[in-house]
Amino acid sequence: AQRVTQPEKLLSVFKGAPVELKCNYSYSGSPELFWYVQYSRQRLQLLLRHISRESIKGFTADLNKGETSFHLKKPFAQEEDSAMYYCALSGISNTGKLIFGQGTTLQVKP
Amino acid sequence: KAGVTQTPRYLIKTRGQQVTLSCSPISGHRSVSWYQQTPGQGLQFLFEYFSETQRNKGNFPGRFSGRQFSNSRSEMNVSTLELGDSALYLCASSLKQGGNTIYFGEGSWLTVV
Repeated sequence: AQRVTQPEKLLSVFKGAPVELKCNYSYSGSPELFWYVQYSRQRLQLLLRHISRESIKGFTADLNKGETSFHLKKPFAQEEDSAMYYCALSGISNTGKLIFGQGTTLQVKP
Repeated sequence: KAGVTQTPRYLIKTRGQQVTLSCSPISGHRSVSWYQQTPGQGLQFLFEYFSETQRNKGNFPGRFSGRQFSNSRSEMNVSTLELGDSALYLCASSLKQGGNTIYFGEGSWLTVV
């Protein structure tokens, strides 16, 4: 079964500290992984996707097929990074169906 | 370019009633998908439409249905509402079916009393 697990409901760090939001997935084929972010009072928006291998707002994520993980990292957290972060999986090609994790709230304290 | 627009934004319905939610995708986008978001279950896929055809369906009862029009606008309908249907319903659009960036609307907040 396809499943995405985000083990932490809340992650609280101080400004300037490194951040790692964990995401593990279960899928037998070749998944496409995404990170979505929802800032307060804003719509859900794509942060990054693994096939792009890009860094957005200082965040990076590497797909580790051996560990079935797609952790989101940022070396130095900023207060404006405080938001809800969702990891999502698209396991079937040519489909808009996304399987989301439960989300992790990132709280960056001053 | 206008984003994904959903109407109504907020509504309250009574158990047993039905509700129709509307979604206008980003101009030029032909794929529309719907998600239900609740505190307990999180974000769950409802269905996806492309070229007026349902291409994919999530694990929801038949009370949940949808359709897509020739201009790519989409509606979803929930009949015989139950208290557990109270949720944020999100619509998302993308240029084509799968493999592209999916853009979400702000959602329609449905409360069933």
